[in-house]
Amino acid sequence: RKEVEQDPGPFNVPEGATVAFNCTYSNSASQSFFWYRQDCRKEPKLLMSVYSSGNEDGRFTAQLNRASQYISLLIRDSKLSDSATYLCVVTLSGSARQLTFGSGTQLTVLP
Amino acid sequence: EPEVTQTPSHQVTQMGQEVILRCVPISNHLYFYWYRQILGQKVEFLVSFYNNEISEKSEIFDDQFSVERPDGSNFTLKIRSTKLEDSAMYFCASSESGRLEEQYFGPGTRLTVT
Repeated sequence: RKEVEQDPGPFNVPEGATVAFNCTYSNSASQSFFWYRQDCRKEPKLLMSVYSSGNEDGRFTAQLNRASQYISLLIRDSKLSDSATYLCVVTLSGSARQLTFGSGTQLTVLP
Repeated sequence: EPEVTQTPSHQVTQMGQEVILRCVPISNHLYFYWYRQILGQKVEFLVSFYNNEISEKSEIFDDQFSVERPDGSNFTLKIRSTKLEDSAMYFCASSESGRLEEQYFGPGTRLTVT
C-alpha cells in the first residue's frame, strides 16, 4: 500500500466551480500534514498546513481526519491560476524533517 | 524575497560520469534537503543535512550519493557514477528552524543521463 494516496485526476472544472481533493495516508503515526502546489516542471510550493481542527485560507479549506487517515482540500470559486498539481504531503513518525509526497492530483480550471 | 537557487538548471551527462548539483540555500537557514522527482512520478526525499552532517537519508541515497557544504553558502549533491535511472529533477530545499512549514524549495536541476 502506498504511503500517501491521491486520486491522480485530471480534474477539469469551469472557473468559479468548487473542487475537492482527497488523500489517504497509511501510517497512523504520521505527524504533520500539508498541501503543496506544483506547477508544470516547477518546484513544489507550500499551499497550507493541515490541522486536526481544520483550517481555512481564503478560498482554500483543509481538513484532517486522523481516525480515517484522510486529508482533504476544498477550493471554492476556482480561478484559472489555480490550475496546477496539488500534492498531499505528510511526515512520518520518527522522520520529522522528511516530507513524504503523494503523486498529486492534476487540476485544470477552464475559462 | 529571499529564495533558494540551484545551478545548473539543466545538466546532461553520460552514464558513469560524476555530477555535482549546486544549491545556495536562504542565507539564515540551517537545515538543508535534497529531493528528486523522476518525470511523471512523485517527489521523493533523498537526504537532510544539519550542522555539517546528514540527519536523515532515504533508501535512494546510496553510496553513489554524497552531500557537502563546502563553504558558508553552497550545498552540493554529488552523484559519483551516474546511471540512466538517475535522470530526474533534483530539488534543493532549506529551512530556518527545521519546522517543515518553513521548508523552501529551489527551482530544481534537471539531470539527464544518456
